[in-house]
Amino acid sequence: NAGVTQTPKFRVLKTGQSMTLLCAQDMNHEYMYWYRQDPGMGLRLIHYSVGEGTTAKGEVPDGYNVSRLKKQNFLLGLESAAPSQTSVYFCASSYSKGSTDNFGSGTRLTVV
Amino acid sequence: GQSLEQPSEVTAVEGAIVQINCTYQTSGFYGLSWYQQHDGGAPTFLSYNALDGLEETGRFSSFLSRSDSYGYLLLQELQMKDSASYFCAVTNDYKLSFGAGTTVTVRA
Repeated sequence: NAGVTQTPKFRVLKTGQSMTLLCAQDMNHEYMYWYRQDPGMGLRLIHYSVGEGTTAKGEVPDGYNVSRLKKQNFLLGLESAAPSQTSVYFCASSYSKGSTDNFGSGTRLTVV
Repeated sequence: GQSLEQPSEVTAVEGAIVQINCTYQTSGFYGLSWYQQHDGGAPTFLSYNALDGLEETGRFSSFLSRSDSYGYLLLQELQMKDSASYFCAVTNDYKLSFGAGTTVTVRA
């Protein structure tokens, strides 16, 4: 089992460009999450999903969109990247709302 | 919304005991989790408390008091590899909300 896999691991974007971050989990988890982490700070929830076909806004959703067309995949899109979106992005999954989250290794995104 | 408070830094020597406190304010509380994160790495799960009391996992223990909206992580027999950031996080309404983290530095 690979657990939670994120691609890509690193990316540099120019302001205004778009991109999609992919998160895949092979644990049949219902719940999936996208977080961002800025230097010296904790993780902040961007969007989450409680099952296939569902998405919901988290703490900092502006500038991002998500889709969960398949249970195992959770995509995070940036339509028009801004320097403020320079961050490390972590995907996570869990089998229940009270359980622990399994995290991917992160995507380091720089917007110039 | 949610808010969590934890100390920003703690320094201790090898073999010592460190306690990291976490106080929180939230609605729809399910439980309190603790995570460890080394520089450049992903957070890794340490413990989860849904009920009051102490949970022990090897050298690490975690405590929760729901009535006081308070918990702590206890790191015993500190080792150099324990130098990392430690985050408390509350689970509510399907999602985790994280504190800003405590940087633990272990000195020889």
